[in-house]
Amino acid sequence: DTGVSQDPRHKITKRGQNVTFRCDPISEHNRLYWYRQTLGQGPEFLTYFQNEAQLEKSRLLSDRFSAERPKGSFSTLEIQRTEQGDSAMYLCASRGGTGELFFGEGSRLTVL
Amino acid sequence: KNEVEQSPQNLTAQEGEFITINCSYSVGISALHWLQQHPGGGIVSLFMLSSGKKKHGRLIATINIQEKHSSLHITASHPRDSAVYICAVRGSRYGGSQGNLIFGKGTKLSVKP
Repeated sequence: DTGVSQDPRHKITKRGQNVTFRCDPISEHNRLYWYRQTLGQGPEFLTYFQNEAQLEKSRLLSDRFSAERPKGSFSTLEIQRTEQGDSAMYLCASRGGTGELFFGEGSRLTVL
Repeated sequence: KNEVEQSPQNLTAQEGEFITINCSYSVGISALHWLQQHPGGGIVSLFMLSSGKKKHGRLIATINIQEKHSSLHITASHPRDSAVYICAVRGSRYGGSQGNLIFGKGTKLSVKP
C-alpha cells in the first residue's frame, strides 16, 4: 500500500457514457499527477496539480476530459462521451517534498 | 526516436542470475526514476536518482549524467522480481514548478525458478 488510493479499480462502460475516477493522494503531498497507460506502453502524462491549481495539461487531454482538485486534497478525472480509444489504465500519483512519486493502483477503464 | 529508451524490452532469467536493465535518455534531466509495475497495474517507486549510485537490498541503480544513461541491477534474482521495470525522467527544461515525467516503455522481466 503506497498510501495513494484510486476508485473505482475497474470500470466497464458503454461508448458515449460519462465516467469519473477519484484519487486520494497522501495527505501531506501537494502535487498530484494523472497518467494514462495502454497495454505494453509506459504511462503518458495527462495533467498535474499543485494544491488546487491545475498547472499543466497534456495535449492528450481532449475537451472530453476534465480534472479537478477542488480543495487541494482528492482529485477527480472525468471523461465525457467515452470512446473505445479511452480504454486504458488511469494512474494517479502524488509527490511530496523529497520528489519521490507514490502511485495508486490505477483505475482500469473498458469502453464497450 | 523516444526521449527515453530502455533495453532490453523483454528479459528472461534463471533464479539467482544477476540482471541489468538499461535506460538511455536524450534530454537534460533533473532526476531519473526507476519504477516497478506488477501485473494488475500498481506502480512502486524503486529509486529516484540525480547522480551516482543508490542501493536498496538486492537492487542497485546507477546514473551517468554525462553519458545520459542509467542502469538498474538486480543481484540474486528471484521469481518475485518478475515485473515490468520502467525508467522515467524529469526533464530539466520543465523547471521546478512542473512535474511532467517522460517514461520509457518498460522492460518486462521474468525470473524462472
